[in-house]
Amino acid sequence: SQTIHQWPATLVQPVGSPLSLECTVEGTSNPNLYWYRQAAGRGLQLLFYSVGIGQISSEVPQNLSASRPQDRQFILSSKKLLLSDSGFYLCAWNQGQGSEKLFFGSGTQLSVL
Amino acid sequence: GQQLNQSPQSMFIQEGEDVSMNCTSSSIFNTWLWYKQDPGEGPVLLIALYKAGELTSNGRLTAQFGITRKDSFLNISASIPSDVGIYFCAGFTGNQFYFGTGTSLTVIP
Repeated sequence: SQTIHQWPATLVQPVGSPLSLECTVEGTSNPNLYWYRQAAGRGLQLLFYSVGIGQISSEVPQNLSASRPQDRQFILSSKKLLLSDSGFYLCAWNQGQGSEKLFFGSGTQLSVL
Repeated sequence: GQQLNQSPQSMFIQEGEDVSMNCTSSSIFNTWLWYKQDPGEGPVLLIALYKAGELTSNGRLTAQFGITRKDSFLNISASIPSDVGIYFCAGFTGNQFYFGTGTSLTVIP
């Protein structure tokens, strides 16, 4: 069966520090991978998605970037965190070719102080 | 991105009561999904619906894909304390997912 791992679960970082959140999927190949941010108001905002290694699409201009160095690995990064980067970050995957089910990781609560 | 209209925003119910919530959109979707999210956790997929009129159950949960393909409903029967959480709907167009803003459910023992 497929599983998705996301870490760390919580992170407290000072303003201006770098960020690296990692997500891996097991039990499948060539998944679509997504990074979402969830604000306190519960809405899910799509940040990045990837349909393959090295292929990244950005949905919103921001202080963050994403990379996909391996088929089942998706990384969210920042060179210098801003206060406004605080939030709950979720990695998700679905099988390619228009698969309808989207599965989420356990999330990372990021606090930028 | 587009947000789906999900209602109610919050519900406070007695244990044992039934719960109903819904999602509406101005757009047509190919698939409707329902998720439950516990505090500090990622959303967990509960039910997936694939065609208009479809009615699908998962234990005490029942969801329906609206005939117009622009709405979906989730019902929880005989609620229990562990049903507490936030329930999200999601619609899939074939290449993009859109999410509701969630219904917060509180079950009073």
